[in-house]
Amino acid sequence: EILLTQSPATLSLSPGERATLSCRASQSVYNYLVWYQQRPGQAPRLLIYDASNRATGIPARFSGSGSGTDFTLTISSLEPEDFAVYYCHHRSNWPPTFGGGTKVEIK
Amino acid sequence: QLQLQESGPGLVKPSETLSLTCTVSGGSISSSNYYWGWIRQPPGKGLEWIGSIYYSGSTYHNPSLENRVTISVDTSKNQFSLKLRSVTAADTAVYYCGRVGTNLDFWGQGTLVTVS
Repeated sequence: EILLTQSPATLSLSPGERATLSCRASQSVYNYLVWYQQRPGQAPRLLIYDASNRATGIPARFSGSGSGTDFTLTISSLEPEDFAVYYCHHRSNWPPTFGGGTKVEIK
Repeated sequence: QLQLQESGPGLVKPSETLSLTCTVSGGSISSSNYYWGWIRQPPGKGLEWIGSIYYSGSTYHNPSLENRVTISVDTSKNQFSLKLRSVTAADTAVYYCGRVGTNLDFWGQGTLVTVS
């Protein structure tokens, strides 16, 4: 099973600031890396797939990069609705796994 | 618009079987392009993939659940189901169903199941 480690666990930022979230895999997941956003009381929402492709309807302030074992989700300028928990997820082999999450909170 | 809705008991006793159904509307569960999956999230914790099923009945289960899982599909009702046997308090979680194409792109709203 591939372990995904996200850092930091919590990111305290102000609206308008840039957020940089990291996800590291215990072995290569190639580019089969996905990012989800989860707001309180809601199901996760697909943001980024195949490491760098925005899902339908996702604003351009969200971008993903990386390949192999190191990945980054960047939110260029935080909007109030972006304060949430973000999970990375791989689908490169079975079983798919998720990282532990990064909470982006208002400073 | 595709919608998925989980249903089932919200409270299960220890050692018994948790049973949930996911009803798919706005699309066919028999589409050859998709699998259908179950994912869970213990309160305040992260996500765990339980398993997936294709409309033909072929399944994948997470080995971490030690063969306690059965996932089935009923194409006539556009539903798929989860059974988790011999539950303990550690199985208390919000259970989500989802559509799995290239990615898990549609999720149900989730249902909380408490083992107590």
